[in-house]
Amino acid sequence: DAKTTQPPSMDCAEGRAANLPCNHSTISGNEYVYWYRQIHSQGPQYIIHGLKNNETNEMASLIITEDRKSSTLILPHATLRDTAVYYCIVRVGNDYKLSFGAGTTVTVRA
Amino acid sequence: DSGVTQTPKHLITATGQRVTLRCSPRSGDLSVYWYQQSLDQGLQFLIQYYNGEERAKGNILERFSAQQFPDLHSELNLSSLELGDSALYFCASSVGPSGEQYFGPGTRLTVT
Repeated sequence: DAKTTQPPSMDCAEGRAANLPCNHSTISGNEYVYWYRQIHSQGPQYIIHGLKNNETNEMASLIITEDRKSSTLILPHATLRDTAVYYCIVRVGNDYKLSFGAGTTVTVRA
Repeated sequence: DSGVTQTPKHLITATGQRVTLRCSPRSGDLSVYWYQQSLDQGLQFLIQYYNGEERAKGNILERFSAQQFPDLHSELNLSSLELGDSALYFCASSVGPSGEQYFGPGTRLTVT
């Protein structure tokens, strides 16, 4: 799996959009970008994934650059409950495991 | 709530002992995965079962074993426990052999 690079931490104001960057410059054509988050030692929570098109669901939007070397997870209206560690994972579609890195610790402040 | 259940929530035991962690996947999911999260190692994949068969192994110690039963629940057995085995153990499930994984709340194991 391609490696990902995320900032170790970031702050966000409650009610504002949170934009979480991820670099994956060695991504292959058959690798998807997955985002998970972990809230304070709870089980990781699936957020969204994509291959090359932008994706949106009820939780977030995923913007993948045209060259697929980076992506941004957007939480449109951050709340205090969005405070968590966010993991960007690159994974082949039929791969069995998720390889978690250090992630980005996002703190949403009132 | 992901629909994945794990028992027990907490487990405290002594070195050298053996414990069993249990996981029930989401209804309809055939794959079960086990992960270990310790302070110094982060989240590490241990093993995957798909429809009762072992499908993939990660960094799982020989002292650890797992199985998936006909009703699709899974158990992770940890034996000859060491202090370094203290960690959070998560189970995840997915419909097929890959795809999105949904995680349970975890079992916190403390070895004293």
